[in-house]
Amino acid sequence: ETGVTQTPRHLVMGMTNKKSLKCEQHLGHNAMYWYKQSAKKPLELMFVYNFKEQTENNSVPSRFSPECPNSSHLFLHLHTLQPEDSALYLCASRAGTPNTGELFFGEGSRLTVL
Amino acid sequence: SQQGEEDPQALSIQEGENATMNCSYKTSINNLQWYRQNSGRGLVHLILIRSNEREKHSGRLRVTLDTSKKSSSLLITASRAADTASYFCATEDNFNKFYFGSGTKLNVKP
Repeated sequence: ETGVTQTPRHLVMGMTNKKSLKCEQHLGHNAMYWYKQSAKKPLELMFVYNFKEQTENNSVPSRFSPECPNSSHLFLHLHTLQPEDSALYLCASRAGTPNTGELFFGEGSRLTVL
Repeated sequence: SQQGEEDPQALSIQEGENATMNCSYKTSINNLQWYRQNSGRGLVHLILIRSNEREKHSGRLRVTLDTSKKSSSLLITASRAADTASYFCATEDNFNKFYFGSGTKLNVKP
């Protein structure tokens, strides 16, 4: 138990669906992250939020839309996805100041796009 | 790319043996971290080494860092079947961003 909770753990959706992934942390962290993990590829940094402000969008397609309403919650809204978007989506958090420690990861949301 | 790259991609050893994994990276760093991931689960932090440190220990883990070669190694001593997992190195830049490699998949046979 890392203190970072992701829901749902598994999601199957069609290419025309709209769904959302949710991440929640009560560790008092101010930085939150979305990573994509595909088989045999490095973890891809997607988005970074620091004190609710987006500080990184790593050229992510617009069919992925993040939302950070407060420092404890992070969402990833999904719409008109492609089969190649099937992956494990990992949320992480840490204290907001650089070089202050490690990332705390959730268990991930396994997404399958049909 | 700033991503770390782990080597080897896969490693299979017997219980009780030592496991060594290596990581190379491309740019200057503030710190380097190692994480572990059990199949289909999230990553768990193992150890952090700062750029001004050369070696660090935590239990059965020993990490070295050579900033001149832009490389790090993770040694797990007296491995156990429960150490079976994927291991990743991650580098942090000055902007709260962490970059990971593809990982080393370790299999420890009982």
